[in-house]
Amino acid sequence: AQKITQTQPGMFVQEKEAVTLDCTYDTSDPSYGLFWYKQPSSGEMIFLIYQGSYDQQNATEGRYSLNFQKARKSANLVISASQLGDSAMYFCAMREIKSGAGSYQLTFGKGTKLSVIP
Amino acid sequence: SQTIHQWPATLVQPVGSPLSLECTVEGTSNPNLYWYRQAAGRGLQLLFYSVGIGQISSEVPQNLSASRPQDRQFILSSKKLLLSDSGFYLCAWSPGTGARTDTQYFGPGTRLTVL
Repeated sequence: AQKITQTQPGMFVQEKEAVTLDCTYDTSDPSYGLFWYKQPSSGEMIFLIYQGSYDQQNATEGRYSLNFQKARKSANLVISASQLGDSAMYFCAMREIKSGAGSYQLTFGKGTKLSVIP
Repeated sequence: SQTIHQWPATLVQPVGSPLSLECTVEGTSNPNLYWYRQAAGRGLQLLFYSVGIGQISSEVPQNLSASRPQDRQFILSSKKLLLSDSGFYLCAWSPGTGARTDTQYFGPGTRLTVL
């Protein structure tokens, strides 16, 4: 079963409007982290925002906010006041602790392609 | 501040040839290091990770291997490339200790085409 599901292969948004990118996750681990990354056409993965499973408040970073609904296992990314430079692929990822691994592992969704229309 | 470098940026190789991709991190010590592959139109697949020099864990059995000869250097290799090795290879690092050891920061990637 997929651990990270992004149901929107592509999204369009008008410049200056807000947009929500969906992400649902599946884990039985009580401690986990959720991440969003942006991948422009250049290919580099850019870290945007992080939400820990025990965090009480929704994470925010500038124009990015994460709508974390723990009971529904969803971690949607909200981008406010979209800009042309926001056009990119967006990936949701989850961190689970692997016993004995000594490091954290990220599992990625398949991504959503966001296109911002002037 | 920390930076991560990968080279080459682009590579075209014939089937059966060897491969060596290099990743180096600056501005941090004892990082955790990761190699991912992204096939066209897909998400990222973790290939290898390392928590220290000479310590390599493989996530997916395949034609590739990884080595960490120095603290901030991570190398992805193959003795004989297959067509299925084509893809976009991303190196990432995360802090080995301290706060936010789970956040991974990615390099610019290497686009590999095997013909």
